[in-house]
Amino acid sequence: GDSVTQMEGPVTLSEEAFLTINCTYTATGYPSLFWYVQYPGEGLQLLLKATKADDKGSNKGFEATYRKETTSFHLEKGSVQVSDSAVYFCALSDNSNYQLIWGAGTKLIIKP
Amino acid sequence: KAGVTQTPRYLIKTRGQQVTLSCSPISGHRSVSWYQQTPGQGLQFLFEYFSETQRNKGNFPGRFSGRQFSNSRSEMNVSTLELGDSALYLCASSAGGLNTEAFFGQGTRLTVV
Repeated sequence: GDSVTQMEGPVTLSEEAFLTINCTYTATGYPSLFWYVQYPGEGLQLLLKATKADDKGSNKGFEATYRKETTSFHLEKGSVQVSDSAVYFCALSDNSNYQLIWGAGTKLIIKP
Repeated sequence: KAGVTQTPRYLIKTRGQQVTLSCSPISGHRSVSWYQQTPGQGLQFLFEYFSETQRNKGNFPGRFSGRQFSNSRSEMNVSTLELGDSALYLCASSAGGLNTEAFFGQGTRLTVV
């Protein structure tokens, strides 16, 4: 079945560092890909998405490019802030059954 | 525009009891999905409803059930609670098409003792 694999955390960085969180997927067909963020004590918020190969999703300085050849959707940000500390989830929707399939989540800790 | 509202925010129940959680989606949204989040299993899909019909169901035992009302509000019920049902239960609403953005509530934290 479809699956999503994320790099394990926690990832600890200093403020203004470059961030990469790796995400790879397995799916039949052409899924849509998402990054969600969960701040402490809150629900999930959509950060960005891409619906077809080579699409780049971007929001709040974060970017991810849908790479079909490597089945990847890595999250990047050029300069992180303390306020970016949260858990980040990669997810896919396989365009057929109205559910999101989730990675395990990566906890990001940004130190001032 | 009001967001997704889940009630209650916190619940403590005893093994063997049953519980009902409620979700009010964003106005105009007709799809409601439910997810269970635990430290061990992560986020797992429970079921999805659209216009009062269940369109998809995850791999959970029959103790987990749900329904959706004509105003799109949804409830999920867990009967005969087990300790392992302790989790954060998240509800998401969307317009209902494939790959439309899902908006999540803050969740209901269920603790089974």
